[in-house]
Amino acid sequence: GAGVSQSPSNKVTEKGKDVELRCDPISGHTALYWYRQSLGQGLEFLIYFQGNSAPDKSGLPSDRFSAERTGGSVSTLTIQRTQQEDSAVYLCASSLWPGPQHFGDGTRLSIL
Amino acid sequence: GQQVMQIPQYQHVQEGEDFTTYCNSSTTLSNIQWYKQRPGGHPVFLIQLVKSGEVKKQKRLTFQFGEAKKNSSLHITATQTTDVGTYFCAGYRNFGNEKLTFGTGTRLTIIP
Repeated sequence: GAGVSQSPSNKVTEKGKDVELRCDPISGHTALYWYRQSLGQGLEFLIYFQGNSAPDKSGLPSDRFSAERTGGSVSTLTIQRTQQEDSAVYLCASSLWPGPQHFGDGTRLSIL
Repeated sequence: GQQVMQIPQYQHVQEGEDFTTYCNSSTTLSNIQWYKQRPGGHPVFLIQLVKSGEVKKQKRLTFQFGEAKKNSSLHITATQTTDVGTYFCAGYRNFGNEKLTFGTGTRLTIIP
């Protein structure tokens, strides 16, 4: 596709459930980032994938969060045992290093 | 780790007034990028500066990269209601494949 695609666009789930968020980056982009953004706040870095290098997981807030990137393309962010403070918009971005990032529209996650 | 701070955090201006946001990095950057996030949207790339002391203009927007490549500024002349949003700077350090680090953002609101 022409841009970064994220799914689902909205997700409502109960506290304690696991969720999977998907990101389909721009074809050929070697770098992929996940961010979290709470209402009115800045971008909180979560994880960074670059080519075949080991991912930079330094931003993951707890061991309930994990992400993988299969075949250097699609990425999945998984949140286990969700809690209410996980409610936020999760943004994915891709780029060619050291170029600009292209963002998806995000997944709005609501934990009841 | 690398930190990128922006000031001010919030700015309210009367329509037609000028606006400036400042970006300061704790480390020297190889380049600086600027993004705009409209309310309800995702960050969109505006421009990239690479050279020390570089100045670039986009209509009413003027971007500057500091001589030491550790700071940058975005100046908007004669603001309009369409300028509303959050402005983020972001930079790469000069090491191979390191992640892009976003600044804390400046939220601009316009009083009509």
